[in-house]
Amino acid sequence: QQQVKQSPQSLIVQKGGISIINCAYENTAFDYFPWYQQFPGKGPALLIAIRPDVSEKKEGRFTISFNKSAKQFSLHIMDSQPGDSATYFCAASIGNYGQNFVFGPGTRLSVLP
Amino acid sequence: NAGVTQTPKFQVLKTGQSMTLQCAQDMNHNSMYWYRQDPGMGLRLIYYSASEGTTDKGEVPNGYNVSRLNKREFSLRLESAAPSQTSVYFCASSEPGRLNTEAFFGQGTRLTVV
Repeated sequence: QQQVKQSPQSLIVQKGGISIINCAYENTAFDYFPWYQQFPGKGPALLIAIRPDVSEKKEGRFTISFNKSAKQFSLHIMDSQPGDSATYFCAASIGNYGQNFVFGPGTRLSVLP
Repeated sequence: NAGVTQTPKFQVLKTGQSMTLQCAQDMNHNSMYWYRQDPGMGLRLIYYSASEGTTDKGEVPNGYNVSRLNKREFSLRLESAAPSQTSVYFCASSEPGRLNTEAFFGQGTRLTVV
């Protein structure tokens, strides 16, 4: 029940296209859903996060869509750029306490020029 | 502003050797964490320290020990390294409880045990 499932494992998108990464969870106690972006040789960095009281959050080209009833959330990257090529991790937490974070296995995104 | 600093960045150990991974943060965060990252597994919590003076086990603590030396520093020790501990290790810190706080990660230590 603590797992966060993430798909696809890898994704190749043309420049200007839309990248979509999906995550699903089981534990209904989760109340904080961040997405982290990781470039090769670097640590993960927070990209965007959402709480379950809203169904969508947008920051620039990045949007989280949240479906509480389906226990699913997804990251959409509009107008994908080669600089977006990275590994993306979804996560879920109870109360935004780091010790409670459960991370998905990651999606490696490649945006072709 | 350095954020979270980890040393070393790379290390090769022989089976049975010991080593300590160092981590320091300059953001005055109360909580610090050690994760390991393996292909297809995401990030898994090894140990954490919710505040200075406290440490607790995470999901995968076996084979590791930690020390919260002070508010800034949190070290991870491998007493007798095993090939299964080959991984990339990340230290992170956060100030939990705030509405929109985030965890800040170091750049990682790539450890190979042969």
